[in-house]
Amino acid sequence: KAGVTQTPRYLIKTRGQQVTLSCSPISGHRSVSWYQQTPGQGLQFLFEYFSETQRNKGNFPGRFSGRQFSNSRSEMNVSTLELGDSALYLCASRPRDRPNTGELFFGEGSRLTVL
Amino acid sequence: KQEVTQIPAALSVPEGENLVLNCSFTDSAIYNLQWFRQDPGKGLTSLLLIQSSQREQTSGRLNASLDKSSGRSTLYIAASQPGDSATYLCAVAGQGGSEKLVFGKGMKLTVNP
Repeated sequence: KAGVTQTPRYLIKTRGQQVTLSCSPISGHRSVSWYQQTPGQGLQFLFEYFSETQRNKGNFPGRFSGRQFSNSRSEMNVSTLELGDSALYLCASRPRDRPNTGELFFGEGSRLTVL
Repeated sequence: KQEVTQIPAALSVPEGENLVLNCSFTDSAIYNLQWFRQDPGKGLTSLLLIQSSQREQTSGRLNASLDKSSGRSTLYIAASQPGDSATYLCAVAGQGGSEKLVFGKGMKLTVNP
């Protein structure tokens, strides 16, 4: 069974640009969540989607957005990039819906560098 | 607001030692707690998940315990090996089965041959 797949794995952008990251969950998983990981802040929750609906959102500015498609694949977008957006962006999927009793499975991440 | 702390931030030990990694959280009203491992430049690998009604979980050389009332969890690694070198993170899910996990900043473990 394939794991969570994230593309691209690495990318470099300049300030002011925008970026779109993609995540394909494990087959059959309908819940997808996104996290940002930086050396200073650690792992922080961005948002979570289930059945194409955003169900929960972390404390990030509106420049961070996402969506989920009918096949459960998810994308996140960051507009007007800032240097501080440089991070590893991790996507995770879960086998069950609420209540949250299942493990969270993570992808390898997309490492974004903003110059 | 839930806060998760892992102390120390780093640990270096010789091969063969039995290890205890600590995790503490401020709000005891959790739904579950999960331990992860992260290798450099990689994503997170789930090690153990403990539901709030459970006291411990075991997988191979790993054993995780949970004491909700004191806001603590420990991950015990028996007979450590160089391959155990990685960063270990704990994360808690809020009561109600929140999808949002709150993570500690992790503990970097180095096991020397």
